[in-house]
Amino acid sequence: NAGVTQTPKFQVLKTGQSMTLQCAQDMNHNSMYWYRQDPGMGLRLIYYSASEGTTDKGEVPNGYNVSRLNKREFSLRLESAAPSQTSVYFCASSNRLAGGSYNEQFFGPGTRLTVL
Amino acid sequence: AQSVAQPEDQVNVAEGNPLTVKCTYSVSGNPYLFWYVQYPNRGLQFLLKYITGDNLVKGSYGFEAEFNKSQTSFPLKKPSALVSDSALYFCAVRREDSSYKLIFGSGTRLLVRP
Repeated sequence: NAGVTQTPKFQVLKTGQSMTLQCAQDMNHNSMYWYRQDPGMGLRLIYYSASEGTTDKGEVPNGYNVSRLNKREFSLRLESAAPSQTSVYFCASSNRLAGGSYNEQFFGPGTRLTVL
Repeated sequence: AQSVAQPEDQVNVAEGNPLTVKCTYSVSGNPYLFWYVQYPNRGLQFLLKYITGDNLVKGSYGFEAEFNKSQTSFPLKKPSALVSDSALYFCAVRREDSSYKLIFGSGTRLLVRP
């Protein structure tokens, strides 16, 4: 049981380049999330997927797109990278409990992205 | 507006002494509160949560937190700190408009000196 996995671990891009961050979970969770972490700002939600087949914007979606490929996988795409997107990106997942509430989120190890 | 505040950027404590990491929240209705820990170059790990029931919640690695509704606080505590507890700690509250989205505080760095 690997939990939440992310690839790549590190990436350096030039301004304007594109890339996709991959995330997969093997816990059969319904919901998946993409966050970015910047110093002094905690974690900010970029996009989330409440369940397979649905995605929605979080607090800071501009410049990003997502795909919920199946229940296990949730990818984040930067179409034209900008230096402001230099950050550490975390994927997370959680499960829905009986009664409708959600359990705690489980996080991947992160991707450290630098945009030059 | 919903929010979580961690007023201390860093907390310093000597090994063996008790530690407290502060957290206050603002949310209408009943809050769902969480604490996470992040070790260097790692993802966040869940420590504990308060949903309902006893105000004192016990979690992983000997940590506990006390929900105080009148003070809207949820401080993280440990009776005896270890050097290995040194890490970044995040408090989070579930958003009112969603059963699954969280709002995170800015984080508090805990430094336990030998």
